[in-house]
Amino acid sequence: ETGVTQTPRHLVMGMTNKKSLKCEQHLGHNAMYWYKQSAKKPLELMFVYSLEERVENNSVPSRFSPECPNSSHLFLHLHTLQPEDSALYLCASSQEVGGRATTEAFFGQGTRLTVV
Amino acid sequence: DQQVKQNSPSLSVQEGRISILNCDYTNSMFDYFLWYKKYPAEGPTFLISISSIKDKNEDGRFTVFLNKSAKHLSLHIVPSQPGDSAVYFCAAKGDTGKLIFGQGTTLQVKP
Repeated sequence: ETGVTQTPRHLVMGMTNKKSLKCEQHLGHNAMYWYKQSAKKPLELMFVYSLEERVENNSVPSRFSPECPNSSHLFLHLHTLQPEDSALYLCASSQEVGGRATTEAFFGQGTRLTVV
Repeated sequence: DQQVKQNSPSLSVQEGRISILNCDYTNSMFDYFLWYKKYPAEGPTFLISISSIKDKNEDGRFTVFLNKSAKHLSLHIVPSQPGDSAVYFCAAKGDTGKLIFGQGTTLQVKP
């Protein structure tokens, strides 16, 4: 496989469930990102991992918990979500030098999350 | 405070005509700008970019124009084709190195 792949593509979960989103990149990049896309809103940057260390957390509620075990894999652990968390969650990767992306970000296809 | 704005949520254009998508930004520290295209059920894909040292970049049917004094950029698609129908996101990068996106404009090209 090439590029950035996300699983699952669709997820429906109850507010008391715990689930995880998975992202894998085969581009050899050293930075990975989680974005949230809600209807009619900009893509919101949630988390940034550079060289497997979290370097940015944009005021995301603690019910979202990221994990980056290595430079190719990124997870987003979800627990006790709210219906307003329903959105498209996008993973992306890029190559960073000194904290700046030197390539454009490559995105996965996203996970469509519905919280009921 | 939204730093990158796409004020037109949608645009409809006839096939063969020019499509012009607009984007405004507020942060003067942005020095690199990108356009992404997104089809339904797919992630955004990179389309074209421009550095702040330039005012125009062209790639086939796609041209991006940058007006730094107005903090405005635009994407021109000519001629427009039905396959160009998608959501277009403008993005900017500055001293933080992170991409800041607009809310997107849905382009429909009618045959």
